[in-house]
Amino acid sequence: GIQVEQSPPDLILQEGANSTLRCNFSDSVNNLQWFHQNPWGQLINLFYIPSGTKQNGRLSATTVATERYSLLYISSSQTTDSGVYFCAVVVSSGGGADGLTFGKGTHLIIQP
Amino acid sequence: KAGVTQTPRYLIKTRGQQVTLSCSPISGHRSVSWYQQTPGQGLQFLFEYFSETQRNKGNFPGRFSGRQFSNSRSEMNVSTLELGDSALYLCASSLPSGGGTDTQYFGPGTRLTVL
Repeated sequence: GIQVEQSPPDLILQEGANSTLRCNFSDSVNNLQWFHQNPWGQLINLFYIPSGTKQNGRLSATTVATERYSLLYISSSQTTDSGVYFCAVVVSSGGGADGLTFGKGTHLIIQP
Repeated sequence: KAGVTQTPRYLIKTRGQQVTLSCSPISGHRSVSWYQQTPGQGLQFLFEYFSETQRNKGNFPGRFSGRQFSNSRSEMNVSTLELGDSALYLCASSLPSGGGTDTQYFGPGTRLTVL
C-alpha cells in the first residue's frame, strides 16, 4: 500500500515563529488533506489540496503531485496552533478504496 | 450546517463484550467512513458506507462490522472486545462523488476503553 511519511515527527517553537511541515507519499494520489488534531481528539480540516497551493490566514499549503510531496506552512505561530498535524491521502489507482491513509503526524508545541 | 456527530463520546467495556457506536453525517452527505486511532498503529481506515452498502474495507478482522441506514446515519459494531480494541473511533462524512476525491469531515470521536 501507499506510504505516507511526515517530518519532522516533533517540533518545538516559540510563539511568533514560522514552521514548515512536510508530507511525502509513495504513489499518485487524487486526494490529499491536512488536518489538525486538537487535544480532545477531533480532526479539524485545514486543506484539501491534491495539487497546487492554497492559503487560509496564517496557514498555507503546497502540493507538488509530480514529485509526491506536500508542505504545510504555519506563520506567526500561536500557542493555539499546538497539536498534531496529519497528512492523509487517497491513492489514484486504489480501485475504489477510498479510505484515507494517514501519516504518523507532526507533533507541534508552541511555547509562549 | 451541523457537523458530524458521534455518540457516545466515551465508553468503558470489558473483554468479551460487544459495543455499538453511532455516527450522524453532515446533512446532505451520503458517504460515511470509520477510522480507528491507537498510539501504536496511528489512524487506520476501517470501512466506508454509501447508500447503505459497504463500498470499501480496511484490514481489520470480521469482529468489526458496520451498517448504514436510509438517512445516511451509520453504526459500527465490535464484537468480542479485546484489550487492543481500546482506541479513539472516528467517523467521517463526505459527499457522494466517489473516487476518493471528496473532502472528508470528521466527528469528535468515541473513546473506547476495554478493561
